[in-house]
Amino acid sequence: GAVVSQHPSRVICKSGTSVKIECRSLDFQATTMFWYRQFPKQSLMLMATSNEGSKATYEQGVEKDKFLINHASLTLSTLTVTSAHPEDSSFYICSAREPTAIYNSPLHFGNGTRLTVT
Amino acid sequence: AQKVTQAQTEISVVEKEDVTLDCVYETRDTTYYLFWYKQPPSGELVFLIRRNSFDEQNEISGRYSWNFQKSTSSFNFTITASQVVDSAVYFCALSEGDYNTDKLIFGTGTRLQVFP
Repeated sequence: GAVVSQHPSRVICKSGTSVKIECRSLDFQATTMFWYRQFPKQSLMLMATSNEGSKATYEQGVEKDKFLINHASLTLSTLTVTSAHPEDSSFYICSAREPTAIYNSPLHFGNGTRLTVT
Repeated sequence: AQKVTQAQTEISVVEKEDVTLDCVYETRDTTYYLFWYKQPPSGELVFLIRRNSFDEQNEISGRYSWNFQKSTSSFNFTITASQVVDSAVYFCALSEGDYNTDKLIFGTGTRLQVFP
């Protein structure tokens, strides 16, 4: 079964509103989670690294005030797209790894959230 | 700088054909990890394999096999006797550094279509 749960799976919102996406690690604690973005028919691009109890680390070119990340607990990271615009429409996906994972264990990805801003 | 190149944008095959998806990577690190993920139309990423830079042994898992060649910086993926359910986008990815570095650099993906 899924070890990383992402919610919602789909969201449609109006331009100017904010949208929160949750990423939960199930049955394990994740001090670090990663947020990726994927435009239609394109690759996944790392947006930011979410660190429990501290500020997120953003990749170059990603607006931290636009994409707010909160990692308040060891099992939950949230990505809030503030004042969303149509160009923010994309597929957002998070990932996490069990801290005691054995060699060759997979990095777990959530099922993704498809955001459409109208 | 690290980079992953998947030169094949789209591949179409007929069921039961073998197909190889190419992946070429660039990195300056001596320790790194390579991955393959499958993304079906539903969107989730399905982990297929993780290989570290010190293990050049090829691997076979059922109909899947991987050929890791450090000399050519390639990590190619072959599906034998393809099936319609193999239709998906396949991503090759690279992460550098120690074991706990999970920042993945993805290639642009190869869309595989298997026709009955």
